[in-house]
Amino acid sequence: GAVVSQHPSRVICKSGTSVKIECRSLDFQATTMFWYRQFPKQSLMLMATSNEGSKATYEQGVEKDKFLINHASLTLSTLTVTSAHPEDSSFYICSASTGTSSGNTIYFGEGSWLTVV
Amino acid sequence: KQEVTQIPAALSVPEGENLVLNCSFTDSAIYNLQWFRQDPGKGLTSLLLIQSSQREQTSGRLNASLDKSSGRSTLYIAASQPGDSATYLCASRVQKLVFGTGTRLLVSP
Repeated sequence: GAVVSQHPSRVICKSGTSVKIECRSLDFQATTMFWYRQFPKQSLMLMATSNEGSKATYEQGVEKDKFLINHASLTLSTLTVTSAHPEDSSFYICSASTGTSSGNTIYFGEGSWLTVV
Repeated sequence: KQEVTQIPAALSVPEGENLVLNCSFTDSAIYNLQWFRQDPGKGLTSLLLIQSSQREQTSGRLNASLDKSSGRSTLYIAASQPGDSATYLCASRVQKLVFGTGTRLLVSP
C-alpha cells in the first residue's frame, strides 16, 4: 500500500529556533498534502493544505508566517516552525493524497513529536 | 462548517465483548467517511473507508456503517481483544477531512 513517511519522528529544539519537518510520499505522487496538529488527548486539527507548486492554504487561526509550508515536488512537503515557542510543542501529522478530488484516498504519515524547550 | 462528534469519549470493556463506537456529522454531503485507529504517541492507521454511495464496510472483526441522511456512522468491533485498546477516530470528508474527537477504548484481559 501507499506509504507516507515523516522525518524526524521526534525533535527537541530550543525556544526561538526554527525546526523543519519533512513529509514524503514513498511510492506515489502526492498532488495534495495536508498538515495537522494534535494536542494531547485531542483530535487532529487541520493546519493547512498544500498543492504541489503553489502556495499553501492555511486554516483560520494558523499563522502562515510561523508555520511555513513548502511543497516543491510531488513527493515532498515540508513544515517549518519558525521562532518556535514552548506552546508550539505538539504532535504534527502530515497526510498525502493522490489527487485534488475529494474522492482520492488520503494516506497518513506516522507523525512528528515536537518539543520546544 | 462540518462538525464531527464521537460518543462515548472513553470506553472500558472486558475482553470478548462486542462494542459499538458512534460518530455523527453535521453536513451530510460527504464524499466518504473513514475510521482510524491511533495508538498512544503514534500516527493514524486507517481501518475502514466508506464511500458516500456505500452503507457499510467490513474488515475482519470490524464493521462500519454509514447513514448519510441521519449524519451517523458506527464502528462495530466484535469479540474485542486487549490489542484493540487504542483511540478510534472517525473523519468525514467534504472538501477537507474533518476529524471527530475520538473514543479512547480500553479492553481488559
